[in-house]
Amino acid sequence: GENVEQHPSTLSVQEGDSAVIKCTYSDSASNYFPWYKQELGKGPQLIIDIRSNVGEKKDQRIAVTLNKTAKHFSLHITETQPEDSAVYFCAASIRGSYIPTFGRGTSLIVHP
Amino acid sequence: SAVISQKPSRDICQRGTSLTIQCQVDSQVTMMFWYRQQPGQSLTLIATANQGSEATYESGFVIDKFPISRPNLTFSTLTVSNMSPEDSSIYLCSTARTSGASTDTQYFGPGTRLTVL
Repeated sequence: GENVEQHPSTLSVQEGDSAVIKCTYSDSASNYFPWYKQELGKGPQLIIDIRSNVGEKKDQRIAVTLNKTAKHFSLHITETQPEDSAVYFCAASIRGSYIPTFGRGTSLIVHP
Repeated sequence: SAVISQKPSRDICQRGTSLTIQCQVDSQVTMMFWYRQQPGQSLTLIATANQGSEATYESGFVIDKFPISRPNLTFSTLTVSNMSPEDSSIYLCSTARTSGASTDTQYFGPGTRLTVL
């Protein structure tokens, strides 16, 4: 089955810096890659996703890149703010499968 | 995306008892799922709740321990039976959108934080 590795497990940055979280996947049939943000005491919220026919997608300060050949994808957050502090999960799934495989999560801490 | 609510939001229970968690969605959805998230860990799928039929359980999870109901397209329950401290976790309900191109996007409820003493 699919295996998703996520790094780093903890990331500490200063407000205004950029943050990058990287994930790799093992199943070349995976073609949908969502990212979730989980704030303390809340459920995971979808923040951005990308499909395998696209190499990059942006939404304001958030961007995701996908390298199908290398089987890795990354989340980029620019101009970080304290409210970006949360646990971020990457995931990978095969189109038509409603069940993604999740990474182990990255705890992002943004220091004001 | 659908609005998902869960009840209770948190509970503290005694070992040996059972707790039923409710998940309500504000629109009809085809797919509903139950996850467990142990402290500081990732999300582990317990089962897929099928409307009108028995739930489909993942390896390591059994119906006797985690009975699931799904009487209609907007509601599901998960019961954690005969609880032990190892069952202390966040339990999350999720749904999958089935219209348009994003047929495989999952959306999560706020979670139920369970502590078993």
